[in-house]
Amino acid sequence: GQQLNQSPQSMFIQEGEDVSMNCTSSSIFNTWLWYKQDPGEGPVLLIALYKAGELTSNGRLTAQFGITRKDSFLNISASIPSDVGIYFCAVFTSGTYKYIFGTGTRLKVLA
Amino acid sequence: GAGVSQSPSNKVTEKGKDVELRCDPISGHTALYWYRQSLGQGLEFLIYFQGNSAPDKSGLPSDRFSAERTGGSVSTLTIQRTQQEDSAVYLCASSLVGSRRTGGGYTEAFFGQGTRLTVV
Repeated sequence: GQQLNQSPQSMFIQEGEDVSMNCTSSSIFNTWLWYKQDPGEGPVLLIALYKAGELTSNGRLTAQFGITRKDSFLNISASIPSDVGIYFCAVFTSGTYKYIFGTGTRLKVLA
Repeated sequence: GAGVSQSPSNKVTEKGKDVELRCDPISGHTALYWYRQSLGQGLEFLIYFQGNSAPDKSGLPSDRFSAERTGGSVSTLTIQRTQQEDSAVYLCASSLVGSRRTGGGYTEAFFGQGTRLTVV
């Protein structure tokens, strides 16, 4: 089936550092999404990308939709302890109205 | 309510018992999704409901799993004869499919907090 490969699987960083994670697919998708999941909660949408090459920011978060429509990356600048959580990339399949999720990047921030 | 509500938040059941998990979507949202999240894993699609259309059941892992959505609102996911491998967090999401957005009909899906199912 369709798969999203997300990397890294986990990372420990120092507070104040910048973070980068990415997501790739073997198929083309027209809508890429980044979610964050806090412990015991459901995922919450951070950024949605609709156009190849698009670069979108949300506060300290910046995400880009790859020009090939097969990848995306998420950057977090100047990380803080509350950035801890699991970050998922996802795509929306307009034909079947499904969301396909990556396996997640677990972020831990060391104060 | 203001968000997607799931109940119970935690459920411990004995192997072989049936369980029902409930999802109250955001009022007015026509699309409802169930996902399963096993420990340390991503989200696995289970089933999708859209309005009065036949649900997309392509993600249900076995015939022990079923779901219904009554009156286009509340949904119940039922797992019969539970097995230990069914232990996971079951997440429900709803969205307002059909709004005009770039990219072919996508609108944001809002997730509930999930039901953590433990089969012992």
